[in-house]
Amino acid sequence: DAKTTQPNSMESNEEEPVHLPCNHSTISGTDYIHWYRQLPSQGPEYVIHGLTSNVNNRMASLAIAEDRKSSTLILHRATLRDAAVYYCILRDVGNNDMRFGAGTRLTVKP
Amino acid sequence: DTAVSQTPKYLVTQMGNDKSIKCEQNLGHDTMYWYKQDSKKFLKIMFSYNNKELIINETVPNRFSPKSPDKAHLNLHINSLELGDSAVYFCASSPSGPGTQYFGPGTRLLVL
Repeated sequence: DAKTTQPNSMESNEEEPVHLPCNHSTISGTDYIHWYRQLPSQGPEYVIHGLTSNVNNRMASLAIAEDRKSSTLILHRATLRDAAVYYCILRDVGNNDMRFGAGTRLTVKP
Repeated sequence: DTAVSQTPKYLVTQMGNDKSIKCEQNLGHDTMYWYKQDSKKFLKIMFSYNNKELIINETVPNRFSPKSPDKAHLNLHINSLELGDSAVYFCASSPSGPGTQYFGPGTRLLVL
């Protein structure tokens, strides 16, 4: 399975942008890059996903490197509600399987 | 409306007992999953069901058995509970293929 590497933890100030990095140097051509987050005492929730082009939605933006070996999840204005563990996951296009790593624990300071 | 629901939310039981956790989704999805999140917070897939057929069966003890009475339900039955089974169990569902997975709120199982 293609693996991802993320920092264990990051800190941000409220209302500032946050850039969460993910390395996936062994990504294959059919792997989508998915991001999920898990708020305290809740189940994971979908944030965003992409294949090659940068993606935006109401929650975040996903910037994908040209060689696809890394990506960055961007929260444009962090709120206290964004404090969570963020998981970067590779999923093959024909595969339901989703393998979670350790993720990045994001702390947002008021 | 709750998309993916699980019952019970908390389950405290003795070693050796048999217990079930129920999961229901009202999203019309074809695929449902069970995940286990241990005390170190690692989230691991246990089972995946697509149209009532098992398609992923990770290396879990055969004391764990998923049962899907219909497309909207995937229950998890656990026989002879052990201390190491204490964890949070999450149910999820998704459309067929690599679609977004929607997770339930989790069932916190504590085996004494």
